[in-house]
Amino acid sequence: KNEVEQSPQNLTAQEGEFITINCSYSVGISALHWLQQHPGGGIVSLFMLSSGKKKHGRLIATINIQEKHSSLHITASHPRDSAVYICAASDNYGQNFVFGPGTRLSVLP
Amino acid sequence: NAGVTQTPKFQVLKTGQSMTLQCAQDMNHEYMSWYRQDPGMGLRLIHYSVGAGITDQGEVPNGYNVSRSTTEDFPLRLLSAAPSQTSVYFCASSPTAPPGNTIYFGEGSWLTVV
Repeated sequence: KNEVEQSPQNLTAQEGEFITINCSYSVGISALHWLQQHPGGGIVSLFMLSSGKKKHGRLIATINIQEKHSSLHITASHPRDSAVYICAASDNYGQNFVFGPGTRLSVLP
Repeated sequence: NAGVTQTPKFQVLKTGQSMTLQCAQDMNHEYMSWYRQDPGMGLRLIHYSVGAGITDQGEVPNGYNVSRSTTEDFPLRLLSAAPSQTSVYFCASSPTAPPGNTIYFGEGSWLTVV
């Protein structure tokens, strides 16, 4: 059983649309991370959050600790947002991450 | 800004050959780790290190060795390559163990074992 799940697995949107990617986790966590992996493979960290909401440009990440759920929102989506978005949980006891399988986003012009 | 540097980016090996994937970081991070990424699966931890001289196994350590003789370097050795080790490998680092720290990834190494 995967301890971190994401939905949807694949998502295609038109430029300008509002996008939501969901992450659910079963472990008790100390922090949840959102990562972006572009075609070509490089992975960058977008957000690290343990409560509430964070915003960076057109990206917003929220987390509900009680419901063990996090969302990544992209406003006014653009083709350059096309990537795989990965959520990763770091649990309360371990020293490592548990990664979700990723959501592949394609934004069409 | 170099960050986390992985080499080589692409490699083809024959079954039974050995090789080393190099990873270096210039941020003085204590924590370093190696992951493999396979189609349809999340990143899986192979080995990690919380400081020079300290290494430990992750979720999928079989067939791989690591060492951490310096803070900067964390090489991953494939002892006798098998087709099941065909994958994309990522090295990552963070200031200390992940909880509460941003993690920085290398660009990835594409390995094919034939």
